[in-house]
Amino acid sequence: RKEVEQDPGPFNVPEGATVAFNCTYSNSASQSFFWYRQDCRKEPKLLMSVYSSGNEDGRFTAQLNRASQYISLLIRDSKLSDSATYLCVVPRNNNDMRFGAGTRLTVKP
Amino acid sequence: EPEVTQTPSHQVTQMGQEVILRCVPISNHLYFYWYRQILGQKVEFLVSFYNNEISEKSEIFDDQFSVERPDGSNFTLKIRSTKLEDSAMYFCASSEDSRRGYFGPGTRLTVT
Repeated sequence: RKEVEQDPGPFNVPEGATVAFNCTYSNSASQSFFWYRQDCRKEPKLLMSVYSSGNEDGRFTAQLNRASQYISLLIRDSKLSDSATYLCVVPRNNNDMRFGAGTRLTVKP
Repeated sequence: EPEVTQTPSHQVTQMGQEVILRCVPISNHLYFYWYRQILGQKVEFLVSFYNNEISEKSEIFDDQFSVERPDGSNFTLKIRSTKLEDSAMYFCASSEDSRRGYFGPGTRLTVT
C-alpha cells in the first residue's frame, strides 16, 4: 500500500450536492492528519486538521477511522468556489509531511 | 496573518546552471520544508529542516540539492546542474510545531 493514497477523481458534482473523499494511509502509528486545499497553480492551504475521531467546520466534516486507516472529507451543500484539488496529508513523523496525490473536485452550476 | 514569502516567483535557467530559491518562513516557526510539484502532478516532499540541520529528506533530494539557513530569516534551496526535469513549482513551508504547515506562494522554475 502507498503511504498516502487518494482517489484522484475527478469528482464533478452540481451545486448543492454532498460529496465525500477518502484517503487511506499505511502508517498505523500516525497520530495527526490534515486536509489541504489547492487551487490551480496556487500553494496548498490548510482546510482541516484531524486529531481524534474527526471534526466539523461549517459545511466540512473530516472523519478518522483508525481501524481501517483512512480519513474522509465530507462537503455538504457544495459551492462553485469549492472547486479545487483536495490533498490529504499524513505526517510520517514530526519532520516529514507527505501529501496524497489529491482529489480534484469540480462543482458545476 | 503572517505569511511565508518566496522569491523569485518565476526563475528561468539554462540546463546545467545552478539556481537558488529563497524563502522567508514565518518568524517564530521552527520547522521548515521544501516541496516540489511538477505541473499536473502531486506535491512531493523534498526535505525538512529543524535546528539548523536536515531532519528528513526524500529519495528525490539527492546530491544535486542542498538547503541552508544562512541567517535568522532566510531558508534557501540550491539546485546544482539543473536538468529539464527539474522544471516544477517549488513550495517552501514552515511550521511552529511540525503539524500545521504554512506554504509560500511558490517559485516556478523553468529549465530550458
